[in-house]
Amino acid sequence: AQSVTQLDSQVPVFEEAPVELRCNYSSSVSVYLFWYVQYPNQGLQLLLKYLSGSTLVKGINGFEAEFNKSQTSFHLRKPSVHISDTAEYFCAVSLTYNNNDMRFGAGTRLTVKP
Amino acid sequence: DTGVSQNPRHKITKRGQNVTFRCDPISEHNRLYWYRQTLGQGPEFLTYFQNEAQLEKSRLLSDRFSAERPKGSFSTLEIQRTEQGDSAMYLCASSRTTGNTEAFFGQGTRLTVV
Repeated sequence: AQSVTQLDSQVPVFEEAPVELRCNYSSSVSVYLFWYVQYPNQGLQLLLKYLSGSTLVKGINGFEAEFNKSQTSFHLRKPSVHISDTAEYFCAVSLTYNNNDMRFGAGTRLTVKP
Repeated sequence: DTGVSQNPRHKITKRGQNVTFRCDPISEHNRLYWYRQTLGQGPEFLTYFQNEAQLEKSRLLSDRFSAERPKGSFSTLEIQRTEQGDSAMYLCASSRTTGNTEAFFGQGTRLTVV
């Protein structure tokens, strides 16, 4: 079965600094990959997704992620973070373009400090 | 359209009591999903419906849990004889089955069993 490991539970960073949130996945077959953001007391919002094609995926709010098949990674990056980016970020993997087999990582808490 | 709506937002109940949560999906979405999210973890899939049919149930969904979507619109999730281990955030999501199948999440219902 597919699974996801988010390597950092917490990432503190100063405002306007770059950030990378790491995600590694495990699967014996091709996968679809997603990053979601969860603001306090809110549901999950899709940031970006990799289905096929270009390995560099651009999402909302200036985030991007790169699919690396050889390293089974899908790290999320932003060149300059804002205070408003403070949130929980979840990486997810699925085998189908569906949501019932989606497996989420444990999350990375991004805290942007002034 | 205001997105996926979940009620109540918070529920505190005594151990052994029954609780019921409601989810109103986005109106044109025929798929509806329930997830559970415990503290420090990502969401875990519980069950999903396509229209009124419940197509899959996770092993996490014990016999104390039941979900319905009687008219293919709103859904309810009932937990009978609640236990402290049921304390979690219960998330609902909905999606289309064709075209853009992105899942949109509600804000969740936070259950605390005391």
